[in-house]
Amino acid sequence: EVQLVQSGAEVKQPGQSLKISCKGSGYDFTTSWIGWVRQMPGKGLEWMGIIYPRDSDTRYSPSFQGQVTISADKSISTAYLQWSGLKAADTAIYYCARRGQTAGDSFDMWGRGTMVTVSS
Amino acid sequence: SYKLTQPPSVSVSPGQTARITCSGDALPNKYGYWYQQKPGQAPVLVMYKDSERPSGIPERFSGSSSGTTVTLTISGVQAEDEADYYCQSSDSSGTYWVFGGGTKLTVL
Repeated sequence: EVQLVQSGAEVKQPGQSLKISCKGSGYDFTTSWIGWVRQMPGKGLEWMGIIYPRDSDTRYSPSFQGQVTISADKSISTAYLQWSGLKAADTAIYYCARRGQTAGDSFDMWGRGTMVTVSS
Repeated sequence: SYKLTQPPSVSVSPGQTARITCSGDALPNKYGYWYQQKPGQAPVLVMYKDSERPSGIPERFSGSSSGTTVTLTISGVQAEDEADYYCQSSDSSGTYWVFGGGTKLTVL
């Protein structure tokens, strides 16, 4: 089955670091871009950035540049999103999604999302 | 930074036609894409490259583009179409993507 499986919900304190994951299966993970999308509680979708697992070419939204790090390990078909110092404002659902081969610059498959709660 | 503008809400009765617009300066040169998101679920792509429908998406969903606006049209709206709809495109250089603010479709 073609799918993206995301890591489980996290509860962290402000200032802590965090790395969440997104594992692809059922397709060639190395040849499809993987993106990350934030959805704050009750709010809309925000495009954070995207990575090409084959060579780790990464692009960030200006809004998220320097705030998070996107990486990938193609040997285990997994992409990551990490923070070095979480803030309460990082509380959100984070989705990973695949840029498909035929649907242009869009995400044709999504993970179920990882809920990140940052609270003291 | 680049922005896409959508109406916050659209309401229609069952069987009517819903039109959701999305405006952006780069849309004359960049494709628009549309996602449907129901409560508690991940988004689903319902339209790509302005007017292409992914497999499994009902024919009542269609898309169009004119100038700086792309439009998602749902003909013969059904209760199950009630959801949030987001447009998405890329900036003029194609370096990064952006989502519109989302439109809540209410089926009366």
